[in-house]
Formats: sequence, structure tokens, C-alpha cells
Amino acid sequence: DGGITQSPKYLFRKEGQNVTLSCEQNLNHDAMYWYRQDPGQGLRLIYYSQIVNDFQKGDIAEGYSVSREKKESFPLTVTSAQKNPTAFYLCASSTLTGTVEAFFGQGTRLTVV
Amino acid sequence: GQNIDQPTEMTATEGAIVQINCTYQTSGFNGLFWYQQHAGEAPTFLSYNVLDGLEEKGRFSSFLSRSKGYSYLLLKELQMKDSASYLCALLSGGYNKLIFGAGTRLAVHP
Repeated sequence: DGGITQSPKYLFRKEGQNVTLSCEQNLNHDAMYWYRQDPGQGLRLIYYSQIVNDFQKGDIAEGYSVSREKKESFPLTVTSAQKNPTAFYLCASSTLTGTVEAFFGQGTRLTVV
Repeated sequence: GQNIDQPTEMTATEGAIVQINCTYQTSGFNGLFWYQQHAGEAPTFLSYNVLDGLEEKGRFSSFLSRSKGYSYLLLKELQMKDSASYLCALLSGGYNKLIFGAGTRLAVHP
């Protein structure tokens, strides 16, 4: 079955450590997105990418980095420069033509202690 | 830049109809989405509008007026399971930037 997979579902890290969240899709989608969601809040865009080897900063890119070496994969690294990294992280993908509906992964809940 | 506004919370009665409004400002409009999100879960797609008018899909309908920067989601025959957050999202710009509003938490009571 086609879909978008995020791993792990829960992640714990010590303060000051970098951590990488995985996002893989087999939907043949060109566009991929990373969002952060804090309790009771909406989704805020971190980074997005339309094609391999190209990506754009979203509204809250500071303290995060991404890569897009393959069409299927868009990993997000939360660096030690991110002041408050504990949050729910969601990855999404979509086509660039047609309905362009974004499909979401199940999310990774990151807790930094 | 882009800006999206929607009410923070709404309540409604089971079996009733509720309308959730969304207003936005943007340049380079490419489309508007509505998503449903239950607590702790990923958002799921409800509707997509790119042209003015009403799109109907079962109990859910969505309306768009591009000239007014306005959309609404209409939910009919409300069920308890419709208690969730409803997110308005805007696709804009040459790079298809997809941004979300803060969401409207809907509580359906008996």
C-alpha cells in the first residue's frame, strides 16, 4: 500500500543533542513538507521541498535542517540550536498538479529532557 | 506573506448544522484546503477549493470566494465523532507553500 511513514512515533533526547526524524513516502509525490504542532495549536511550517536537492525555509526554520537527496525521503534534523524542540512533528507529501491534497504521516512526538 | 484567521472554538448539537469560517490574505493563491484533526492524530483531508463556489462531499461542503479572501466549511447532520479540530490551509506562491491556520476546535454535544 502507498503511504507516508514517519519514524519513530515517540522519541526522547537529552538537551543539547541533535536528532533526526525520518519521513519516507512511496506515493511518487514531488512535494514534501515538515510541520511542528504544539499542544492546542495549529501546524507551523518548518521546511518544504518541491524537487530533489531543493528546499525552502518555512515560517519557523531556525534550529532545524533538512535534506532532499531522494524523491522518497525528506529527513528533518532538530539541532541543539532549537530552543524549545519538544513538540509533535508532522511530515506531509503531495503532488504538484491536480488536487494537490497533502497526505500526512502519523507524526513523531519528540520530548527533550 | 500569508495570514489565515479562523475562530478558536465552536460548540454545536448532535444532528445540527455548523459553519466554520476562514478568512485569509495572500498573494499567488493556488488553492484552499480543509482538514480534520482528532487529538493526537495526523490531519485528514476533507476538501479542496481552487475556484469560487461550493464543493459538496456527503455531509461536508466547502465554499470559496477568492475576491473576498473567504471560505467556510459546512458540516451537516452532526455526529459526536465530528468533535475535532478543523484546519483551514492555504496553498500559495510559486513554490506551493502550504500553510495552516490555527484551527477551530469543534465540540459536538448530545
